Formats: sequence, C-alpha cells, structure tokens
Amino acid sequence: TQLLEQSPQFLSIQEGENLTVYCNSSSVFSSLQWYRQEPGEGPVLLVTVVTGGEVKKLKRLTFQFGDARKDSSLHITAAQPGDTGLYLCAGIDYKLSFGAGTTVTVRA
Amino acid sequence: DAGVTQSPTHLIKTRGQHVTLRCSPISGHKSVSWYQQVLGQGPQFIFQYYEKEERGRGNFPDRFSARQFPNYSSELNVNALLLGDSALYLCASSRQGNTINEKLFFGSGTQLSVL
Repeated sequence: TQLLEQSPQFLSIQEGENLTVYCNSSSVFSSLQWYRQEPGEGPVLLVTVVTGGEVKKLKRLTFQFGDARKDSSLHITAAQPGDTGLYLCAGIDYKLSFGAGTTVTVRA
Repeated sequence: DAGVTQSPTHLIKTRGQHVTLRCSPISGHKSVSWYQQVLGQGPQFIFQYYEKEERGRGNFPDRFSARQFPNYSSELNVNALLLGDSALYLCASSRQGNTINEKLFFGSGTQLSVL
C-alpha cells in the first residue's frame, strides 16, 4: 500500500515548457526525498526536504515541502529532454516509503 | 570508487523455483537495504541489514529472506517463486543505515521475470 500519492501519473510536455508534479501523504513524515529514476537504473537522490514550508532549488528544479509536512511539489522550469524520467517522492522514517511516481517525458 | 553493484542484472525463473540475488555495497558502507519495484509502482521496502543484523523488515511473506556477510555484501533469497514476484529488485547501501540522516545509494537492480 502506497502511503504517498503522486500526481499526475504521466506527463508529456514539449522542450522549454514548465511542469509541476505533486506528492501527497496521509501521514506526517519527518523528512521527504525526491528521486529520479531512468529505465534500467536505480533511483538517484535529487533533494531532501526537512522543514515544513521549506523551498529548495537545484538549477531548474524547485522543491517545496508543505507547512504540515504532508505534501510536496517539484517544479521544473524550461524542461529539457534530459529531464525525462520517473520522478519518485519518498517519506523517511526507518525506511523509505515511495509513491508510485510520475513518468515525465520531455519531447525535443 | 565503484557504486552499488548487483548481480545478475537479469534473471528468468519459473514458478516454484528459488532465486538468490546478490549485492555489493559501496566501500565503507555497512548497511544494505533491499527494495522490490513492480512495473508501474514505486520501490517497496523488503529488508534492511546493518553489521550483519536485520534492522527492519517490510510487509513481505516468509518466502523472502536475506543475509549480510562480514564483508557487508548481501544476498536476497526468494523461495517458491510466484508470478507476482516478477519485479526489479533494488539494493541500496549507506554508511550506518540511518535512513533519516544518511543518503541511500541504489544499484541498478536485478530484473527478475517469473514465468
């Protein structure tokens, strides 16, 4: 059972457009992580958010953690084909609890 | 330094068989975790080991077992395979196994197909 709900499930956009993916939880997590996974590879950590209301930027990627620490979003500005992949959010306790992910396709 | 290595990369088995998957953590990492990722889903936690001791177990049947060796490498064993066991099995390592404060490094996984 996935405690974390991610939306949308699929997203296909043109190069240069912006996109936002969402992660919502039924539980409060002490911290939350975002990963990107490419076909045939394991997930790679993008960011960890810890404080409610926190905003982190990683080049063209902006991550927000909700005030109540139950939701998060990932915004990509001016998407590029290299941003294509499966984006996973994961809540952290003694283990990672992953959402089902959002498959992002950026068309050249 | 080498990352987390898993073997084999692909495996095909039939129902009822047994399978052993192997993982070597990053040098200096003492903790290994196993995750199962079914197509279209996020990874699901199976086990965590630290210093050869089981630290955590996910909601998986007893057909799933694991162990960690003195060199910190690990094996995941699955008995009496079912069609539903078909998945990508991921291994992740970290220094101390403190998921809250440490970064997990994932291997590329073993793709298991059960026919």
